[in-house]
Amino acid sequence: DAGITQSPRHKVTETGTPVTLRCHQTENHRYMYWYRQDPGHGLRLIHYSYGVKDTDKGEVSDGYSVSRSKTEDFLLTLESATSSQTSVYFCAISESGGSSYNEQFFGPGTRLTVL
Amino acid sequence: KNQVEQSPQSLIILEGKNCTLQCNYTVSPFSNLRWYKQDTGRGPVSLTIMTFSENTKSNGRYTATLDADTKQSSLHITASQLSDSASYICVVLENTGFQKLVFGTGTRLLVSP
Repeated sequence: DAGITQSPRHKVTETGTPVTLRCHQTENHRYMYWYRQDPGHGLRLIHYSYGVKDTDKGEVSDGYSVSRSKTEDFLLTLESATSSQTSVYFCAISESGGSSYNEQFFGPGTRLTVL
Repeated sequence: KNQVEQSPQSLIILEGKNCTLQCNYTVSPFSNLRWYKQDTGRGPVSLTIMTFSENTKSNGRYTATLDADTKQSSLHITASQLSDSASYICVVLENTGFQKLVFGTGTRLLVSP
């Protein structure tokens, strides 16, 4: 998984509780992304980062926040988890954001269940 | 709305047989098209990337084709193996200056012994 780890790999939580997912990379790539994958949908971008402290929203950002204080770490926070946020979350990295041939490498995923 | 549609949704083939997966897209402006393989419980892994000027690209037993005029792509798997059992996802890069990927929902392939 291209030097990308995600933690935890599985989590079960209750509605209304805060949850933080962590993505850690050892590739020193500038761009990092958070996606969610749900049945019947393709992967959808939640937030992305183009550098330390530089982040922007994706297409499904409501209810999520992110932070990037170091190049290697990108955190995804659900401030108050809801059942609709039950999903598999993938972190991805890339060297740049604009190059058409630039690969995005994906982590192993975190399965989150909100009861 | 920019979309990527894949067919079939699922497919079962016998080990050793060939198969072809289809992808149609409406993404515009188009930058490139990618095929990813996703094993159960794992993240997607890139198989091929093709720009509009490339109409065929191979990666071992995987061959992708692209017709940018009709906005169609296919992924052909030759001499299938049990390890080919996975979801195959077609992804189109929208040419917005930022690397915005539009994902299909995938074709789930099961190779049976």
